[in-house]
Amino acid sequence: QVQLQESGPGLMKPSETLSLTCTVSGGSIANYYWTWIRQPPGKGLEWIANIYYSATRYNPSLKSRVTISVDPSKNQFSLKVRSVTAADTAVYYCARGTGNGYELDYWGQGTLVTVSS
Amino acid sequence: QSVLTQPPSASGTPGQRVTISCSGSSSNIGSNYVYWYQQLPGTAPKLLMSRNNQRPSGVPDRFSGSKSGTSASLAISGLRSDDEADYYCAAWDDSLSTYVFGTGTKVTVL
Repeated sequence: QVQLQESGPGLMKPSETLSLTCTVSGGSIANYYWTWIRQPPGKGLEWIANIYYSATRYNPSLKSRVTISVDPSKNQFSLKVRSVTAADTAVYYCARGTGNGYELDYWGQGTLVTVSS
Repeated sequence: QSVLTQPPSASGTPGQRVTISCSGSSSNIGSNYVYWYQQLPGTAPKLLMSRNNQRPSGVPDRFSGSKSGTSASLAISGLRSDDEADYYCAAWDDSLSTYVFGTGTKVTVL
């Protein structure tokens, strides 16, 4: 059974760089699209980015501030968000994409990141 | 603002059929697959419907999906109390070059 687990800082200050890691267990990280999605408190879902081997795709609205990467040796993938503001406060989910990459069939439980001074 | 529009809420009594609509455009629903996700309170979303109308393994056949033109819909028949959740449609958008989620619909079982 594939499982995904996010890890992150919890609380951050404005202008800092957010670093999140998703650890994949129960399956290989190869051959899938690894994805980050976020959900501000009480709001809807926003797709951030995905990575397939070394090929990346980003939400244009966030592209200038985010970087997604993968470490196959650790079965992990990561997300960095630069210059965070309160608008980046959200639950961040990692997920596995299959098929064309947009069939998100396994999700992590999510990690809440709060940006506050 | 999402480019996929859903009604904010839908409701029904146990056993009833509820339908949720998802309205988009030619650049998303009109030219790409639609996916549906169910988010139970306090949990991560779960894939409920794939490629317009394909149920992943384990999803009951009470759930069905359809697509016509630039709109899609999710139907829940035999409504149960544990169907109370937020439901989101999603699709790739060729114009925006991003995966977009719908605005979400909260289903309440009366």
